[in-house]
Amino acid sequence: DGGITQSPKYLFRKEGQNVTLSCEQNLNHDAMYWYRQDPGQGLRLIYYSQIVNDFQKGDIAEGYSVSREKKESFPLTVTSAQKNPTAFYLCATAGTSYNSPLHFGNGTRLTVT
Amino acid sequence: GENVEQHPSTLSVQEGDSAVIKCTYSDSASNYFPWYKQELGKGPQLIIDIRSNVGEKKDQRIAVTLNKTAKHFSLHITETQPEDSAVYFCAARVDSGSARQLTFGSGTQLTVLP
Repeated sequence: DGGITQSPKYLFRKEGQNVTLSCEQNLNHDAMYWYRQDPGQGLRLIYYSQIVNDFQKGDIAEGYSVSREKKESFPLTVTSAQKNPTAFYLCATAGTSYNSPLHFGNGTRLTVT
Repeated sequence: GENVEQHPSTLSVQEGDSAVIKCTYSDSASNYFPWYKQELGKGPQLIIDIRSNVGEKKDQRIAVTLNKTAKHFSLHITETQPEDSAVYFCAARVDSGSARQLTFGSGTQLTVLP
């Protein structure tokens, strides 16, 4: 995960508050992704971005928003509209070449009470 | 869309024994199958991958096999060690244009008993 920094590692919020999770990368990768991980459910794609100023919804985008103003940064906002926001959130990047694998950060654990 | 099923959800083996984790996929167009290892509190790390033009790939104690006809692929770990204990995820993807999204299995918690 040397090139992908997710902060903070743990985050606590009260219900009804928006919260933004940070993801920064120095791998010079064009593509960035946000996944949500829940016990026993694998990784589910929230949003992804293939290029600066462009992003697409993944499988579970409702209640989340993103921006991609810089190549290095892809912040995720968990809004109050997300009904079950408590989860482990993973940011990932990939290069554009055919063989480029997905690289993950070490995640942010969000707890909403 | 693609659906990936992974079994078993938990697996315990004695140190030195082999471990096998199996995945099936639904989209016959999928042609890239990576395996990730996730240690506690960390993000997943790629350990091995295979593309649909090969049937088996090995890297030291780890091997992956692919059966495209049956649409399943498996991870084999030989001579398991305590440091192999982790959650393992399989995934599948269709490499077509810019649609390079991975679909993940639900994970297998592997415990290697000393």
